[in-house]
Parts: sequence; structure tokens; C-alpha cells
Amino acid sequence: NAGVTQTPKFRILKIGQSMTLQCTQDMNHNYMYWYRQDPGMGLKLIYYSVGAGITDKGEVPNGYNVSRSTTEDFPLRLELAAPSQTSVYFCASSSAPRQVDFGPGTRLTVT
Amino acid sequence: RKEVEQDPGPFNVPEGATVAFNCTYSNSASQSFFWYRQDCRKEPKLLMSVYSSGNEDGRFTAQLNRASQYISLLIRDSKLSDSATYLCVALRHSGAGSYQLTFGKGTKLSVIP
Repeated sequence: NAGVTQTPKFRILKIGQSMTLQCTQDMNHNYMYWYRQDPGMGLKLIYYSVGAGITDKGEVPNGYNVSRSTTEDFPLRLELAAPSQTSVYFCASSSAPRQVDFGPGTRLTVT
Repeated sequence: RKEVEQDPGPFNVPEGATVAFNCTYSNSASQSFFWYRQDCRKEPKLLMSVYSSGNEDGRFTAQLNRASQYISLLIRDSKLSDSATYLCVALRHSGAGSYQLTFGKGTKLSVIP
């Protein structure tokens, strides 16, 4: 199993650009999550999904959108990128509401 | 008050030392607890779950005190490879079949030769 994979690993965006962060898991997990981690700060939940077709907002959803059309994929869309969205983005999944498995992260810089 | 609070450290300890990390949580509805380890510029990885009876995994011991809303992690005989940031995590039911994992900011540990 590859586990949770994320692409791209790194990205630099200009202010106002848009992009999609990809996340795929091959463990048939129902639960999937997107977190962001700013330097010296804890992980903050952006969006989560409890199954295909179901998504819900986390703690910091503004400026982001998600979709969950399949069990495997949970892309995160950034519209109109802003410097405040410079962060490391982690996708995670779990089979139940227990501990989660994280992907390797995407480092995003908005300038 | 933050939902999960940890001493940010850093903790600088010599090899072979015993080090203890503390964590408090504010929401009494939290049901399950975990310790994650995060290496520099890497993703967090599960270190161990925390049970009310306390649990041990080799050199690592985790304790939970629900009355005090306090969680601890003890590392004995520290190794250089233990250098990382340790994240305390609480899980609670957030309604309508949803659950929420809340991460502390982490405590950084540096084990020095």
C-alpha cells in the first residue's frame, strides 16, 4: 500500500492564482481530512469527509473548497491565493474516528 | 483556553536521560488520546495511543488522568533518534456522527550526545 499520497510536494503561487492540491489514499478509508500547519503552530483542520459525497468544514475553511467524489480522492482547491495561505498542507485518512495516517505534505508559498 | 495545551519546549536533554512531556485538554467530552511524533519537515506519525490504565511501548510510557484532564508521555533512556516534536492529540465526538481530532502545538525534543 502506498498509504496517503499528495501532489505536488512544493508549489509557489502568485497572489490571486488558484490551484488544487491532490490527495489519494489506497487503504479504503472512509474518513479523510485536510490540515494546515503554520511554523511553530499546531495542525488546524480545514475540511473533512466521512465518506464519498460527504464533506464538512473544519476550523479554518475560508478560502478553500473540497470535493469527495470517490473514496480514494479528496482534492483541496484554493481559490484566489493569499499570502496568509502560505503553509504546509497535510492530507490524512482513517478507517474510523481514531488515529489518522498522514500524507507527506505539500509546502505552499504564496507571494 | 486552547483545547489541547502542551509545553512548547524545547527540551534539550543528554543521551540516556529520562524526559517527560505534559499535556492538558479542556474539553471533558474528549474520548481518546494519542501521541504523535513529527520529525523536521515531515508528516506526523502515530507514536502511541493513550489508555486510562496507562500503557507502555518499550522506552515509552503514556498516562491519562481523566479527572485532571491531563496526559503524559515519558521517554526513558533517550536516544539521539528520539529528537523530534511530540504532538498531543485529543479526539471527541462533535455531533451528528462526526468526530474531531485536536492537535496540540507540540513539544520539541533535542537529545544531545
